[in-house]
Amino acid sequence: NAGVTQTPKFQVLKTGQSMTLQCAQDMNHNSMYWYRQDPGMGLRLIYYSASEGTTDKGEVPNGYNVSRLNKREFSLRLESAAPSQTSVYFCASSEWGQGGVGNQPQHFGDGTRLSIL
Amino acid sequence: KNEVEQSPQNLTAQEGEFITINCSYSVGISALHWLQQHPGGGIVSLFMLSSGKKKHGRLIATINIQEKHSSLHITASHPRDSAVYICAVPHLGSQGNLIFGKGTKLSVKP
Repeated sequence: NAGVTQTPKFQVLKTGQSMTLQCAQDMNHNSMYWYRQDPGMGLRLIYYSASEGTTDKGEVPNGYNVSRLNKREFSLRLESAAPSQTSVYFCASSEWGQGGVGNQPQHFGDGTRLSIL
Repeated sequence: KNEVEQSPQNLTAQEGEFITINCSYSVGISALHWLQQHPGGGIVSLFMLSSGKKKHGRLIATINIQEKHSSLHITASHPRDSAVYICAVPHLGSQGNLIFGKGTKLSVKP
């Protein structure tokens, strides 16, 4: 029972390089999210997809793009990595709840530790 | 935007102690979430509640809607409870996406 699977778990990039973080869920959830977690700060939403075919910006979208490939998969792309994007990235998924996604528990992947030199 | 404040930021307890972690928010909500982040980094949802109290094993979550306050209690704490506990509430806009507190780091000593 995999839940939410993120790849890779660790990555080191040089400034200006690009990469894509992959996320897949097997719970048939409608909604998926990408967060970043930095020391001393709460999880912050980068982008989300309320349902297949839609994506929207969250609190900190600059420097990122996303693709909701299908209902299972939601990828996050850094086109030109910057040191400020060094962080731990979490993908999560949930059902769509009445009144919004905040009324449903979220299921998280194990995270990707990304360092940009 | 809803603001979420947790206290304390850090908490050290002896095994067996009763633990309380607090969460306050600024705007009325439909549901409040408590999550646990293990030392290895993984995050799991513990509770989602909109009123009253919920219990799971040694963990109890309570919420007071009028006071905009929630508490997470751990009874008979154990070293394996050592983790970061995170409170989250829905954003007023943004389709109810969650806003997260900074977390409370709990360390339980044997």
